[in-house]
Amino acid sequence: EPEVTQTPSHQVTQMGQEVILRCVPISNHLYFYWYRQILGQKVEFLVSFYNNEISEKSEIFDDQFSVERPDGSNFTLKIRSTKLEDSAMYFCASSRRAGSYNEQFFGPGTRLTVL
Amino acid sequence: QQQVKQSPQSLIVQKGGISIINCAYENTAFDYFPWYQQFPGKGPALLIAIRPDVSEKKEGRFTISFNKSAKQFSLHIMDSQPGDSATYFCAASDGQNFVFGPGTRLSVLP
Repeated sequence: EPEVTQTPSHQVTQMGQEVILRCVPISNHLYFYWYRQILGQKVEFLVSFYNNEISEKSEIFDDQFSVERPDGSNFTLKIRSTKLEDSAMYFCASSRRAGSYNEQFFGPGTRLTVL
Repeated sequence: QQQVKQSPQSLIVQKGGISIINCAYENTAFDYFPWYQQFPGKGPALLIAIRPDVSEKKEGRFTISFNKSAKQFSLHIMDSQPGDSATYFCAASDGQNFVFGPGTRLSVLP
């Protein structure tokens, strides 16, 4: 069964450093998402991406964040200058279509720890 | 208005019992209501979802009840099993926004 994959599973970085989190969505999916989950808290939407541009973004997704689909398979989230409060699980998701009833498939997540 | 409320925060049920988790929303534009199950260290996985044109949907031991006028929906897990122990998130989407509830940690005792 096709699945969303994410690398690395755990990333440790120093405050102020740049990190890139990588995702490989399901191959025939066209819509891609990033979510964040601070330990023990709810899953929060960051950004959605379609046709090589951002469709929606939340207030969390400020100028420190960017997304890119550098090739036909990868989807990346870059945090330019990490802060302590960026420590969280970051989930990538993809769906075949947008709109309502758009079942999103989640990857296993990347645990980001900012020291 | 984009918030989805969920209760209880945690739930302990005996094996074979019924687990009930409730959610409520404000945004009447929401028209898709999925439930996700998350095990520790894993991403959320879609469990069951409902559209507002039906009041109930059942898949195996899992049932969603939907009350459009009250803007509430709930997940019922019949014959709860220890393997059901996980965190459950309700969510709502209006096609543009996808909002999760804060989650319910379910523990099913053997």
